[in-house]
Amino acid sequence: QKEVEQDPGPLSVPEGAIVSLNCTYSNSAFQYFMWYRQYSRKGPELLMYTYSSGNKEDGRFTAQVDKSSKYISLFIRDSQPSDSATYLCAMRLRAAGNKLTFGGGTRVLVKP
Amino acid sequence: DAGVIQSPRHEVTEMGQEVTLRCKPISGHDYLFWYRQTMMRGLELLIYFNNNVPIDDSGMPEDRFSAKMPNASFSTLKIQPSEPRDSAVYFCASRYPGRNTEAFFGQGTRLTVV
Repeated sequence: QKEVEQDPGPLSVPEGAIVSLNCTYSNSAFQYFMWYRQYSRKGPELLMYTYSSGNKEDGRFTAQVDKSSKYISLFIRDSQPSDSATYLCAMRLRAAGNKLTFGGGTRVLVKP
Repeated sequence: DAGVIQSPRHEVTEMGQEVTLRCKPISGHDYLFWYRQTMMRGLELLIYFNNNVPIDDSGMPEDRFSAKMPNASFSTLKIQPSEPRDSAVYFCASRYPGRNTEAFFGQGTRLTVV
């Protein structure tokens, strides 16, 4: 079993819909949680960074962490075709730690 | 800043040949990471450096893989000899020191070993 599980998709939604993505993890010691966006043939870019359970909002993006369930989510409101990409969750053990463990990524397609 | 710069963007080589991938981190970032991405295994950390010193190479798959960082602005990942199963996208990333800073990735090198 992988440490971080993520549905590979693809997840296809109409423009304007809410995109809901999630990851589950097995190591309860993970403290810091990130979401990266990766466009085709590009490197991952950081979207959201959260610590501890709760919600964090940034524009159209909301990240949620539920440590008790070992479950994290990313919501994209008012989705746009430009949001079509692969979304990777990642997590690490410590603030200054360096080893990121990634989920396999979910491919999202927003149709105009 | 131009971001993390990797070269080449694409590499096709024959099995058994030596392959060298190059990376220039963002200026001022003193952590450098090499990742490999495949459909089967996703993104995996191979090795990372801090201040040019290798800290953790536990992700390096075999002795055929080696990485160096001779100075703060340059790193190489070498595969010798290369095998078809090494075909993947290799990413370099760098990070500024600090508790809540995250890594910036390069565009990647797509390696195909035939």
